[in-house]
Amino acid sequence: NAGVMQNPRHLVRRRGQEARLRCSPMKGHSHVYWYRQLPEEGLKFMVYLQKENIIDESGMPKERFSAEFPKEGPSILRIQQVVRGDSAAYFCASSPTQEPNTGELFFGEGSRLTVL
Amino acid sequence: GEDVEQSLFLSVREGDSSVINCTYTDSSSTYLYWYKQEPGAGLQLLTYIFSNMDMKQDQRLTVLLNKKDKHLSLRIADTQTGDSAIYFCAESSAYSSASKIIFGSGTRLSIRP
Repeated sequence: NAGVMQNPRHLVRRRGQEARLRCSPMKGHSHVYWYRQLPEEGLKFMVYLQKENIIDESGMPKERFSAEFPKEGPSILRIQQVVRGDSAAYFCASSPTQEPNTGELFFGEGSRLTVL
Repeated sequence: GEDVEQSLFLSVREGDSSVINCTYTDSSSTYLYWYKQEPGAGLQLLTYIFSNMDMKQDQRLTVLLNKKDKHLSLRIADTQTGDSAIYFCAESSAYSSASKIIFGSGTRLSIRP
């Protein structure tokens, strides 16, 4: 059973370009979370999605950032017109659907975005 | 809003015990977690404790929860060089369904010989 798969592992973009980060949750998981980790800082919650639904996007910047988790295919975090401050590691995590759920998250290895 | 706080650094001598502390603000927290992040990797769950418990032991790890003071600690006995990592405290107010989990800033544990 493969774990949470994120790609690309490393992405370099110039200011103003778009970044797309993909996350395939563990098999059988339908809850996906995106977190951002800035250098030397902790994890900050961005968004929580279930299939075809955004459940909580309270941690997402209002502009330039969007996320989706379609019925088929991976979850995608999209950052438009990137700026240097977007440079960070973006972690995806998934959790299973069965109840009761301890809330344990299974993390991918992260996608490291560098904006030049 | 919810907040989880930890000290940023801890240095211990190999073979000693490490104690990493965490405080949280959400009184409705149901689960509290300790995650470990090794360099260049994602986070892995080390252990978790349900809010109606005050202690949980798992081999070298001991978790203590003081719900009144909203204080959580992780003790690692006989600390080894492989324990060098960042340790994140986290809390969730979910019970039967997944909810967003709030993480602290992480405590970087370094081991000296």
